[in-house]
Amino acid sequence: AQSVTQLDSQVPVFEEAPVELRCNYSSSVSVYLFWYVQYPNQGLQLLLKYLSGSTLVKGINGFEAEFNKSQTSFHLRKPSVHISDTAEYFCAVRRGSGYSTLTFGKGTMLLVSP
Amino acid sequence: NAGVTQTPKFRVLKTGQSMTLLCAQDMNHEYMYWYRQDPGMGLRLIHYSVGEGTTAKGEVPDGYNVSRLKKQNFLLGLESAAPSQTSVYFCASSSPGGNGTDTQYFGPGTRLTVL
Repeated sequence: AQSVTQLDSQVPVFEEAPVELRCNYSSSVSVYLFWYVQYPNQGLQLLLKYLSGSTLVKGINGFEAEFNKSQTSFHLRKPSVHISDTAEYFCAVRRGSGYSTLTFGKGTMLLVSP
Repeated sequence: NAGVTQTPKFRVLKTGQSMTLLCAQDMNHEYMYWYRQDPGMGLRLIHYSVGEGTTAKGEVPDGYNVSRLKKQNFLLGLESAAPSQTSVYFCASSSPGGNGTDTQYFGPGTRLTVL
């Protein structure tokens, strides 16, 4: 079975500052990794995903994430955040072969202030 | 394209009452899911379906039942609501990708309170 740990429940940051949201996973098999974002009072939407190939994955809204197999990490980064990036971010993992369901982390609330 | 829609958006129940949450998708997706979201717990999978007429248990299925009689609809039932089922419920759908990968598309959620 796979599991995901998001190390920070909240990350406060000032507008235009860089941010990194941390995600570590545990799995005995190859995995696919995802970041989803949830804006207030909305459902989740996909930011980016790692399936294979380049370990640096670019997503929507200027976000990117790097897959590090040796560290079992998939941290999300943005070089300069905006107020509108205030949202909850979820890391998720699934088995990398056949069909399996997603396992979500507990989420990290990104709070961007002016 | 409405995507994934959920009915109702809000509901308050008394302990012991029953209700059904409806999820509909117009993307012709094979897979559908029901999650619950609780503070500090992330999303937990209740039940899912990989096709019309098939359902399977997720991580937290107790107290819930589901049905997928039509491909576009996935119903979540609470037979006898309990305060522990107070939560925000999300439905999602996806279509199998080339490597078994699939992006899940989420509905806006149903906020349920059980008194």
